[in-house]
This record gives sequence, C-alpha cells and structure tokens, in this order.
Amino acid sequence: AQKVTQAQTEISVVEKEDVTLDCVYETRDTTYYLFWYKQPPSGELVFLIRRNSFDEQNEISGRYSWNFQKSTSSFNFTITASQVVDSAVYFCALSRGGTSYGKLTFGQGTILTVHP
Amino acid sequence: EAQVTQNPRYLITVTGKKLTVTCSQNMNHEYMSWYRQDPGLGLRQIYYSMNVEVTDKGDVPEGYKVSRKEKRNFPLILESPSPNQTSLYFCASSLSVRGTDTQYFGPGTRLTVL
Repeated sequence: AQKVTQAQTEISVVEKEDVTLDCVYETRDTTYYLFWYKQPPSGELVFLIRRNSFDEQNEISGRYSWNFQKSTSSFNFTITASQVVDSAVYFCALSRGGTSYGKLTFGQGTILTVHP
Repeated sequence: EAQVTQNPRYLITVTGKKLTVTCSQNMNHEYMSWYRQDPGLGLRQIYYSMNVEVTDKGDVPEGYKVSRKEKRNFPLILESPSPNQTSLYFCASSLSVRGTDTQYFGPGTRLTVL
C-alpha cells in the first residue's frame, strides 16, 4: 500500500523567512510519481510540480525548490523568502505508474501561515 | 479556457435526500475521478473512470455512485446522503494515465448533510 506523511500539521513564519515543508512517502513500486499541490484560502487545488521516480534532480522555480531523495523516501518543498500570498494548505501526493497513475494518494496537508 | 467545472459549489441538504454533483471538463480528457477532502485526512479518491462507460471504485466508494455516459461529464450521485458525507468534493481529470499527464482539479463542492 502507498502512504504519504506530512508530519507538519501547521507552520507559521514571518514574511521573508525560508520555510521547508516535509513529505515522506512509502511505496513498493519502482516507478512512481510525486506531486505537490497548493490549496489557497479560496479552496481550489493548484498543481505545483510532478516528479517521477527516475529523476532525482532537484528543481527550482523562482522562490520554490524541491528536494527529492529516494534514499530517505522524501520529497521536501522549500519556499525561499516567503510572502503572505504563500499562505495556503500544501499537499504532497504520490501515484503509481501504469494504469494506476491517475489515483493520487495524498498526505494530510500542511497549513502554512505567513505573517506580514 | 481549459477547465474542470463542478456544480453546485455549495450545497446544504438533509439526510436521505438524493443529490447529484456534476463535473464537466472541456479538454477531451479520458481519465476523470472524484475525491473527498476531510480535515486531517487529505484527499481520498472515491471513484474514477478511465473512459466512457468504464468506471471503478477508489478508496472510499461507499455511499456514492457515478456514471460516465459522455466523455466530458462525470457526475457524482449520493442516493441517500448521510452526515458523514459532509465534506469538500473535488473532481479531477487528465488526458490519460501516462506519467507525463497532469491532473486538473475542479474548484470544489462543499457539501453539508444535516
């Protein structure tokens, strides 16, 4: 069975601080995909990134960066110089390869609050 | 504009009164699914559909039905809603199930069953 754990239920930071959201996953598959979604206060789910299990390169997109480490089964998300607009619930998710790709197993979510 | 739409966005109903939440996508996607979001549990898949007339259960299908008669629509049916189905529901779609496909989520439907 697959499982995603986001141990940090809530994080509170002050604007311009860096913050890292942790994500640990469990799977027996060799091919799998990892995702991060953002859910702002308005409620919609916004896709941030997808990573496949064969690509361990870290990725940076503006103030966002992701650290994928298969050795520790982790896919952590860092926001550099946080802003108030980053306040949201962030979900890490995992899916299998093949025809089961469509089913996402989500973590519990981390509520990030960025104070001005 | 490419999008997944859901209706209604908000619904308050009473136990036992049948309801349908509609989901429609305009991207000619093959794969569609329903999730429910509950505090502390993240999102869990209810049902999914690989294509027209092909549906299957997700992790929490009890109390729900779906149908896929047209490619663009994937309604979620609660024939006899109960209070434990109070939740935030999301419809999602993707072109197929290839690893390069992104899942797009609808705006969500907040359902309260009294």
